[in-house]
Amino acid sequence: EPEVTQTPSHQVTQMGQEVILRCVPISNHLYFYWYRQILGQKVEFLVSFYNNEISEKSEIFDDQFSVERPDGSNFTLKIRSTKLEDSAMYFCASRRAGLPLHFGNGTRLTVT
Amino acid sequence: RKEVEQDPGPFNVPEGATVAFNCTYSNSASQSFFWYRQDCRKEPKLLMSVYSSGNEDGRFTAQLNRASQYISLLIRDSKLSDSATYLCVVNQFYFGTGTSLTVIP
Repeated sequence: EPEVTQTPSHQVTQMGQEVILRCVPISNHLYFYWYRQILGQKVEFLVSFYNNEISEKSEIFDDQFSVERPDGSNFTLKIRSTKLEDSAMYFCASRRAGLPLHFGNGTRLTVT
Repeated sequence: RKEVEQDPGPFNVPEGATVAFNCTYSNSASQSFFWYRQDCRKEPKLLMSVYSSGNEDGRFTAQLNRASQYISLLIRDSKLSDSATYLCVVNQFYFGTGTSLTVIP
C-alpha cells in the first residue's frame, strides 16, 4: 500500500536556526497538508496546498513558516528561525479529492 | 468556542465491552467527518469516514447527527488491540483532543 514518507524522523536544532522538514506524498494525491502536535496536545492544522499554492492556512502558520513543492514528489515545510515552542511532532498528509487524509509517520522536532 | 469538542476520557473498559465516543462540532456547514486512531507517539490512522446515513465496519459503527452537530463512534466487543486514542476530525482542518481508550484483560 502506498504511503506518505517523512524525513528525518527526528530533528534536533538550536533556537534561531532554520529547519526544513521533508515529505513525499502519495504519488496520485493532489492535496497536501502539514499539521503539528505538541506533546500531550491535539493535532493542529498548519497549512494546506493544492495546485502549487497554499489553499488554507491557520493562525499558527505565520511568516516564520513556508511550504514548497520543489519538484514533482517532495513537499517541504520550512521554519525560518525556530523557537522553543516549535518543538512538536510535525505530520505531513495527503489525499485525493473527496477522500480522507493519509498521514506520514511524522518528524519529531526538538528545539533547544 | 472550540471547533470540535471531544471528551478526553480516559475510558477504561474490560475486554468484550461496548464503548461509545462522541464529538461535537460548531460549524453547521461542515461537510466531511472522520474517525482516526492514534497510538502513542505515532501518526493518526484512518479508522472510518462518517456518512450521513451512518456506517459500519465490523465492530465499529459511526454515526452523524447534523441536527445536533455531533458524530459518534461505537466499538463493540472491545479487544486489547483497540487500546489507543480516538480522534474525530472535521473537514480535514479540525481535530478533537482525542479520547483515550484502554481495554483491560
